[in-house]
Amino acid sequence: SQTIHQWPATLVQPVGSPLSLECTVEGTSNPNLYWYRQAAGRGLQLLFYSVGIGQISSEVPQNLSASRPQDRQFILSSKKLLLSDSGFYLCAWSGPGQGGSDEQYFGPGTRLTVT
Amino acid sequence: AQSVTQPDIHITVSEGASLELRCNYSYGATPYLFWYVQSPGQGLQLLLKYFSGDTLVQGIKGFEAEFKRSQSSFNLRKPSVHWSDAAEYFCAVGAWAAGNKLTFGGGTRVLVKP
Repeated sequence: SQTIHQWPATLVQPVGSPLSLECTVEGTSNPNLYWYRQAAGRGLQLLFYSVGIGQISSEVPQNLSASRPQDRQFILSSKKLLLSDSGFYLCAWSGPGQGGSDEQYFGPGTRLTVT
Repeated sequence: AQSVTQPDIHITVSEGASLELRCNYSYGATPYLFWYVQSPGQGLQLLLKYFSGDTLVQGIKGFEAEFKRSQSSFNLRKPSVHWSDAAEYFCAVGAWAAGNKLTFGGGTRVLVKP
């Protein structure tokens, strides 16, 4: 069966510090991968998605970047965090391909607080 | 571009009562529709999905949803709510485009009174 991991679970970082959040998927090959942010009391905002190694699409211009160095690894980064980067970050995966019919499966999330 | 509206931000329901959560979507083609549930501090869990066929879809935890094309709606229902159903619920529409992107509604938070 497939599983998705995210770490760390919680993170408190000062403004201006770097960020690296990691997401890995097990039990599937060539998944589509996604990073979402969920601000307090708000819905999910898609930040990045990837259909393959090294292929990253950005949905929203921002202070963050994403990379996919391996097939089942997705990393969210920032060089200098802003207060507005605080939120709950969710990684998700779906089956390969470009159709809209595959459901997405979510990881447990990372709670980021920028102070 | 697709969009999803969940008109109710909060709903309070008594345990044992029925629940209906509203979802309206905007999409130019045949939609792929999903309902997810999120417990506090957790990721999202898929409750059910609609791709085609029967417009009444059964999901996990006793939930069902009905797709009504004429109303552009995909409302979620449960006949009898349990305290463990207190959570946030998200409706989403899938895009037939690169990356299989989902667009989520703003969510509805359900509180269950004993």
